[in-house]
Amino acid sequence: DVKVTQSSRYLVKRTGEKVFLECVQDMDHENMFWYRQDPGLGLRLIYFSYDVKMKEKGDIPEGYSVSREKKERFSLILESASTNQTSMYLCASRMGQGARYGYTFGSGTRLTVV
Amino acid sequence: KQEVTQIPAALSVPEGENLVLNCSFTDSAIYNLQWFRQDPGKGLTSLLLIQSSQREQTSGRLNASLDKSSGRSTLYIAASQPGDSATYLCAPAGQNSGGSNYKLTFGKGTLLTVNP
Repeated sequence: DVKVTQSSRYLVKRTGEKVFLECVQDMDHENMFWYRQDPGLGLRLIYFSYDVKMKEKGDIPEGYSVSREKKERFSLILESASTNQTSMYLCASRMGQGARYGYTFGSGTRLTVV
Repeated sequence: KQEVTQIPAALSVPEGENLVLNCSFTDSAIYNLQWFRQDPGKGLTSLLLIQSSQREQTSGRLNASLDKSSGRSTLYIAASQPGDSATYLCAPAGQNSGGSNYKLTFGKGTLLTVNP
């Protein structure tokens, strides 16, 4: 089975800090995604990458950036953390863009910004 | 813009019951639809994927159907167990605005509680 690993389950950071959330997948998937999940708002797409060094904005990219230097790793960067970025962050990957490919999600990182 | 509605928002049933979770979506131009399960504080676990050319998929006690033209999908759970208690999310995949990828749109989920 594909495994998507998020480096931290829980993080507490201070306002203004630069925060890195790391995600690694082990099955040579082309596409990777970052979502955030908030009560009442559901899952929202922040950024995605369909290949190494490629990235596209999702629905809510403001305040975030991403990096994909290697195929297996996709990092989400909070340039200057703010309290409204307190959320559950979920990373996902997918083999490719065909209709037969589904998404595999990691176990999530619960980020609290104080 | 794709909108996904899941009904009911919450469901409580006694162990052993068969049940149906409903999902409707507004844009029928989808490539596939996935059903996920999420336990409290955890990530999403994929249950079933139905391609747009398919009508249903089965895995164990789970059966998912897709009626793309009417914008509906159902997840049927047979002989429910307390371990099935979780939030179930429906997510159709359609093309994003840039045309470069398949974008998942999630419903708000159905919170299922199966009582022993």
